[in-house]
Amino acid sequence: KAGVTQTPRYLIKTRGQQVTLSCSPISGHRSVSWYQQTPGQGLQFLFEYFSETQRNKGNFPGRFSGRQFSNSRSEMNVSTLELGDSALYLCASSLGGLDTQYFGPGTRLTVL
Amino acid sequence: DAKTTQPPSMDCAEGRAANLPCNHSTISGNEYVYWYRQIHSQGPQYIIHGLKNNETNEMASLIITEDRKSSTLILPHATLRDTAVYYCIEAGSARQLTFGSGTQLTVLP
Repeated sequence: KAGVTQTPRYLIKTRGQQVTLSCSPISGHRSVSWYQQTPGQGLQFLFEYFSETQRNKGNFPGRFSGRQFSNSRSEMNVSTLELGDSALYLCASSLGGLDTQYFGPGTRLTVL
Repeated sequence: DAKTTQPPSMDCAEGRAANLPCNHSTISGNEYVYWYRQIHSQGPQYIIHGLKNNETNEMASLIITEDRKSSTLILPHATLRDTAVYYCIEAGSARQLTFGSGTQLTVLP
């Protein structure tokens, strides 16, 4: 079974721009969660989507948003990029409920 | 904030067992203990999880103390490819994982 895929793998943007990252979950998984990883803050939970609805949200500003499509694929958008948004963005999928999360390889975003 | 405590780093000789400890003294009755590892700049990899019984799979064994306040992840025969940051996480739901700083395990040749 194919794993979680994320595109693009690497991205360079400038301050003030906006960016959209994509995540395709494991086939059959309906829950997609997003995490941000930086050297200073570690791995932090952004939000979780299940059946196209946001079910959980971490402590991030409204510039970070997401959505999920009917095929469970998810996108994450960051508007008005700041230098501090440079990070590895990870998505993880699961069947839902108490099922284990499986992570993708991440998208490395650099904001200049 | 992460609710688990792990040593920041450990070394292990190749071929020997690696025993990674974790304290989760505030764990509640319905929270599982999850272990993930992350090899540099890759996505975290699920290893194992448990509630109160010891668990074993093809990757590792998980020993949870009877009071559930601590656990040990055991990699029975560590290889150089096991060098990674290992995270112990207590979670009532697998949906929102709170990662701490983890343990940097270095397997030495």
